[in-house]
Amino acid sequence: AQSVSQHNHHVILSEAASLELGCNYSYGGTVNLFWYVQYPGQHLQLLLKYFSGDPLVKGIKGFEAEFIKSKFSFNLRKPSVQWSDTAEYFCAVIPIKAAGNKLTFGGGTRVLVKP
Amino acid sequence: IAGITQAPTSQILAAGRRMTLRCTQDMRHNAMYWYRQDLGLGLRLIHYSNTAGTTGKGEVPDGYSVSRANTDDFPLTLASAVPSQTSVYFCASSLENRAGHNEQFFGPGTRLTVL
Repeated sequence: AQSVSQHNHHVILSEAASLELGCNYSYGGTVNLFWYVQYPGQHLQLLLKYFSGDPLVKGIKGFEAEFIKSKFSFNLRKPSVQWSDTAEYFCAVIPIKAAGNKLTFGGGTRVLVKP
Repeated sequence: IAGITQAPTSQILAAGRRMTLRCTQDMRHNAMYWYRQDLGLGLRLIHYSNTAGTTGKGEVPDGYSVSRANTDDFPLTLASAVPSQTSVYFCASSLENRAGHNEQFFGPGTRLTVL
């Protein structure tokens, strides 16, 4: 079964700082990759996704992620964070065309942006 | 309705009681899912349904049951609640197709406390 690891459980940074959240997965086949965000008290929303093509994916709110197949990684980045980016971020992976496999989430990274 | 609704928003329940969490989607998605979210563990899949009339077990199915009588509704039942089932429960849906594109849309969640 696949697994997803997010390296940092908590990140604290100041406004305008750059953010990078690590995500690694364990699955040898072709996958679809996602980053979801959960703002305080809200449900999960999709930030961005990678299915195929350009490994550098741009999402909403200035976020981007880079898929590096050789490293089984899909790290999330934002050059300059805002206080409103305070949230929990989840990486998720699903093997494509593999019957019975479902979306697997990482443990999440809580990001606190200080004003 | 637009998207996914869940009811109740929150519930406090005595151990041993039966409880059904409701989930309804209006996007005509064929697949639906139930997750529980626990601190540090991310989201874990409880049960899923690829289409009306079929269900499957996820990562943590014990103590839970589901049914999928139609496309829109996917209730989750706790037959005899235990304190370890205290969690936030999210329902999700997606449009599964042969290309394997599986972006999931999430409901607002139900916060359940079992005493």
